[in-house]
Amino acid sequence: GAVVSQHPSWVICKSGTSVKIECRSLDFQATTMFWYRQFPKQSLMLMATSNEGSKATYEQGVEKDKFLINHASLTLSTLTVTSAHPEDSSFYICSAYLAGGPDTQYFGPGTRLTVL
Amino acid sequence: EDKVVQSPLSLVVHEGDTVTLNCSYEVTNFRSLLWYKQEKKAPTFLFMLTSSGIEKKSGRLSSILDKKELFSILNITATQTGDSAVYLCAAVTQGGSEKLVFGKGTKLTVNP
Repeated sequence: GAVVSQHPSWVICKSGTSVKIECRSLDFQATTMFWYRQFPKQSLMLMATSNEGSKATYEQGVEKDKFLINHASLTLSTLTVTSAHPEDSSFYICSAYLAGGPDTQYFGPGTRLTVL
Repeated sequence: EDKVVQSPLSLVVHEGDTVTLNCSYEVTNFRSLLWYKQEKKAPTFLFMLTSSGIEKKSGRLSSILDKKELFSILNITATQTGDSAVYLCAAVTQGGSEKLVFGKGTKLTVNP
């Protein structure tokens, strides 16, 4: 099956620093990737849709200048949390949509971000 | 606003019990409904349901969709402790980019 990886799997950073999270589709090309955030005991909330070669589409309430998304190739999307604050601490999960494939998004293993 | 509601939010049962998890949805441009199992990390795919009334089965798990009443159920028979997890359902909306709208999940705890 399709495999999606994320790096790093966990990161701890100081308040005010920026953190980059990578999402890669390992054995298929993904024109569309999605970024989700999940707070403890909450469901996955879609943050943005990342399309290769174009600007990401952000969901309402998600600051595009704070959560920078770059989908530079068909196998890589990055999410950069800029000037991170403790309230940004969360579990960030990406998924990749396989165009023409089944209606499932293939999820990465997630990145646990803790901002001190 | 697109919405997916799951019930119950949590459930505690004993091994061997049968459980039914519910998922109702109100989304525009509905395409399909997905069930996931989430343990410590990212969700793992269980079922995709597109047509009403057709049961999907995988071992002790089964699921069915009712597009008229806008809900789905996930059944787990003869539960085991390894079934303990959060079960998420998500509605797929069709459009330029197909989005998943997730419910809050049902936390299932199976005690020995």
